[in-house]
Amino acid sequence: GAGVSQSPSNKVTEKGKDVELRCDPISGHTALYWYRQSLGQGLEFLIYFQGNSAPDKSGLPSDRFSAERTGGSVSTLTIQRTQQEDSAVYLCASSPSGEQFFGPGTRLTVL
Amino acid sequence: GDSVTQMEGPVTLSEEAFLTINCTYTATGYPSLFWYVQYPGEGLQLLLKATKADDKGSNKGFEATYRKETTSFHLEKGSVQVSDSAVYFCALSDSRGYQKVTFGTGTKLQVIP
Repeated sequence: GAGVSQSPSNKVTEKGKDVELRCDPISGHTALYWYRQSLGQGLEFLIYFQGNSAPDKSGLPSDRFSAERTGGSVSTLTIQRTQQEDSAVYLCASSPSGEQFFGPGTRLTVL
Repeated sequence: GDSVTQMEGPVTLSEEAFLTINCTYTATGYPSLFWYVQYPGEGLQLLLKATKADDKGSNKGFEATYRKETTSFHLEKGSVQVSDSAVYFCALSDSRGYQKVTFGTGTKLQVIP
């Protein structure tokens, strides 16, 4: 069956522009997570969704970052006024409970 | 808060060598413990897990035992192959609430023929 998909796979943008990253979780998975993986670093938790609500947004690094989830399915992570330090791979994972299933990630490069 | 500490890499081994990647954790309650693997150019995938003390997770020749007394979950494999070259992440899942997962920084393994 289909796994978690993310789009785009690569995104190059200029500093100050807004970007939207999309995640399509596995059908039926109620939990959805966003992480950021910077070069040579571990995974940094950003936000967690249960259904359409986000009980834990504690990892969002600034108010330039926001995310939403609609229909208990697709999620969009938006970064406004991108900065060079936002360059990273953004990973999405979905979970029925416990084990997480990861997408391939979106590599964001801010010039 | 919860945290995971794993040995820094990169780790370079010859094929058929014994592998140990150390992982220790700090958590309240009784977390579940995981090892995830990220092969070059691919996404993370679950390698093995253990949900309670003294449990041993195993998969693809890899093993890790949940040691509550030492708060450790070291990854081992008796004979590594070139195809095992990847980045390995130790992680724990909070046993409370929604099971937030905390990851270590990852250990890169390179196996040479």
